[in-house]
Amino acid sequence: DIQMTQSPSSLSASVGDRVTINCRASQSISNYVNWYQQKPGKAPKVLIFAASSLRSGVPSRFSGSASGTDFTFIISSLQPEDFATYYCQQTYSTPTWTFGQGTKVEIK
Amino acid sequence: EVQLVESGGGLVQPGGSLRLSCAASGFKFDDYAMHWVRQAPGKGLEWVSSINWNSGSIGYADAVKGRFTISRDNAKNSLYLQMNSLRSEDSAFYYCVKDIRLSSSPGTHFDYWGQGTLVTVSS
Repeated sequence: DIQMTQSPSSLSASVGDRVTINCRASQSISNYVNWYQQKPGKAPKVLIFAASSLRSGVPSRFSGSASGTDFTFIISSLQPEDFATYYCQQTYSTPTWTFGQGTKVEIK
Repeated sequence: EVQLVESGGGLVQPGGSLRLSCAASGFKFDDYAMHWVRQAPGKGLEWVSSINWNSGSIGYADAVKGRFTISRDNAKNSLYLQMNSLRSEDSAFYYCVKDIRLSSSPGTHFDYWGQGTLVTVSS
């Protein structure tokens, strides 16, 4: 099975900071990584799909990139409403879709 | 507006059974694959099962294979999860999730989620 190792598990940052979250796949998965945001008590929602495509309506401060088996999610300028947990997901190995462990972003 | 409303959760004893339902609206249900994803309280997301548009392709996570059965009724715009031989580690919120494609295939993603139904397995 493909494993997704996400880091860090949590971080604390100030409004306006650049935030970077990483996911490493255990094998090559092309660009088949999605990023989800989950706020407390709410269902997740997709922000980035296919490693770097921004879902319609999602602010442009969110972005994603890929390099080999390493995938990066960036919030360019952290806003108070970005307090949430973020998950990567691989959709390469059909039909077992693995999520990363999650990164909790706290506002300083 | 896309809506996914789960029901059927509750408290069940270890070894017991439960059937979850998901009522879908706001989109053409039989044009999309669907999934169940679970989340234990305070823990991460775990994909459980998927079913393509015509029930011709079904998949399960190893943790539930042989115990859970996913199904759908396109005439009723409904998705189901029959859960048997429940264990304490199955306790979680169960989310009904819509895929962007007819069949969940490499490169897909999940675009709508329900609010979840809580399953608690305890004696």
